[in-house]
Amino acid sequence: DADVTQTPRNRITKTGKRIMLECSQTKGHDRMYWYRQDPGLGLRLIYYSFDVKDINKGEISDGYSVSRQAQAKFSLSLESAIPNQTALYFCATSDGHTLYNEQFFGPGTRLTVL
Amino acid sequence: GESVGLHLPTLSVQEGDNSIINCAYSNSASDYFIWYKQESGKGPQFIIDIRSNMDKRQGQRVTVLLNKTVKHLSLQIAATQPGDSAVYFCAENRANAGGTSYGKLTFGQGTILTVHP
Repeated sequence: DADVTQTPRNRITKTGKRIMLECSQTKGHDRMYWYRQDPGLGLRLIYYSFDVKDINKGEISDGYSVSRQAQAKFSLSLESAIPNQTALYFCATSDGHTLYNEQFFGPGTRLTVL
Repeated sequence: GESVGLHLPTLSVQEGDNSIINCAYSNSASDYFIWYKQESGKGPQFIIDIRSNMDKRQGQRVTVLLNKTVKHLSLQIAATQPGDSAVYFCAENRANAGGTSYGKLTFGQGTILTVHP
């Protein structure tokens, strides 16, 4: 979805490096999410934010941190990257004002940790 | 623990055939389900959703069926086309006790659909 953008789209880094993945949205949604996808697995939630002051851990938050700089921006950081963090990372947004809220996904960032 | 899962990881069909992709869920409190399509190199895209107070919902060439008795969800694609080739995920969303959705989705493993011309 062009309304949700992620940078970079691809990144190769080395073990121990700090990496930041960025997500921006123009949908005006209050909720934002970070997922990772591994081959053969569905998407797993890392962190989610229901507004700028609300940050919550997902099911696999260890080794990650996030920052909600503004309603439209949500960044994911790997403080010290390790090889098993090699994966596809997706950002998503949703409108928290509706009960049943569809999530809109960005194009993904492919991260390789050597 | 609670989970949303798929019966078949791969499905191959001929162009023009109908496709059926299945999904099982274990949490009886689940009240909202979504099907997503993910094409190679792209993020998941919404296809269709269904709420737990419904058994069936139709979209353009797609139908979702929900059987709450056996906790089973299916996606039917009519007249499957090569452009339908993708990975299909079911996802579960569950409202909290206060009646407002957390918005967190639990995804199934995914089914790879391949459509042969």
